[in-house]
Order: sequence, then C-alpha cells, then structure tokens
Amino acid sequence: DAGVIQSPRHEVTEMGQEVTLRCKPISGHDYLFWYRQTMMRGLELLIYFNNNVPIDDSGMPEDRFSAKMPNASFSTLKIQPSEPRDSAVYFCASTPSGKYNEQFFGPGTRLTVL
Amino acid sequence: GENVEQHPSTLSVQEGDSAVIKCTYSDSASNYFPWYKQELGKGPQLIIDIRSNVGEKKDQRIAVTLNKTAKHFSLHITETQPEDSAVYFCAASTGGFKTIFGAGTRLFVKA
Repeated sequence: DAGVIQSPRHEVTEMGQEVTLRCKPISGHDYLFWYRQTMMRGLELLIYFNNNVPIDDSGMPEDRFSAKMPNASFSTLKIQPSEPRDSAVYFCASTPSGKYNEQFFGPGTRLTVL
Repeated sequence: GENVEQHPSTLSVQEGDSAVIKCTYSDSASNYFPWYKQELGKGPQLIIDIRSNVGEKKDQRIAVTLNKTAKHFSLHITETQPEDSAVYFCAASTGGFKTIFGAGTRLFVKA
C-alpha cells in the first residue's frame, strides 16, 4: 500500500497567486481530512469529507480557501489568492469507516508564500 | 468546543530514562484519545490510543493512562532510545471523526 499521497511536496509562490494542493487517500478509506500545521497554531483541522461529501468545514480560515473531492481517490485544497500568512505545512489524512480509527497522514506539502 | 492542552512543549532526557507527556481535555463527551508521533519531514503516525472505558494501556515501552474524572491523560515512554526523538501529539475526539490535537511536545533523547 502506497499510503496517502500528496503533491507537491514543496510549493513556493508569490502573494496573490492561486495554489492547489492535491491528495490521494488510501484506497477504501471513506474519510479524508485536510490539516494545516504551523508553529503558532499547531495542527488544525480545516475540513473533512465522508464518501466525497464535505461534512465539516468550520476550520477553513476564510473564503480564500476551498476544498473539493470529486471522487473517492482524489481531493484538492485551493487557496486563491494566497497570502504570506498561509505559509504552513498542509497535511491530508484518511481513515476507514467506523469509530476509533487511526488517521493515516500523508507526508505533507510545505507551502511558502512570498 | 473541545480544547486539548499538552505539557511540556519540550522535553529532554538521557537515553534509558523515562519520559512523560501530559494532556488535559475540556469536553467530557470525549471518549477516544490517540497519541501520534511525528518525525522530521513526515506526517504524524499513530503510536497508541486509549478509549474512555479503559484506564491504562501498554504496548512494549509505551503506556497511556487516562483519568476521566480529572480529564487528564498521559503518555509514558520507558527506556528511551535516540530513535524516540520526535514531536509527540496527544488528541481527543468524541469517537466521531473530528479530532482535536494538542500543541505537541518535542522530545530529545540524548545518547
């Protein structure tokens, strides 16, 4: 099993540009999560999906952030326009159905907005 | 909503000593408490978890304890080794899928 796959691993962009982060969850996992990790705020849940449907997006910081899951094997997190304060490591994680399940994290995308 | 506090933020121990990380949570409905280890450049990985119907759980050198009344839970690592050096996160959830993480503890094990 390849685990959760994220791309790109590193992204450097200029303020105002659109950024798209990509995630492929583990096959058969019904839940997908997007997290943001910063030194100041730690690991924050942004949004999660169940069977491709967004369940809770209360962690999405503002309208500049959007997430989609067009099918069971692919999700995107988009920031438009990007700002320097969006610089962080963004993680995608997935888990199968059922309570008390381990979340499997991807390697993360380190985003730097100049 | 749920709030998870974690202490200490940094912990340095000698190889072979024990390390203890403590967390408190605010939501009495929380009933699942996983612990994750994050190595440099990688995503967090589950190392042990405990449910609220259990007071203690052990897996080799790692143990977790839970005090539901006080809303405290702790991670204990015995006979620490250099490869235990990492950032450790406690977390809490109500058994659903929204998990709230603590701020993390950076553990250094000195050889």
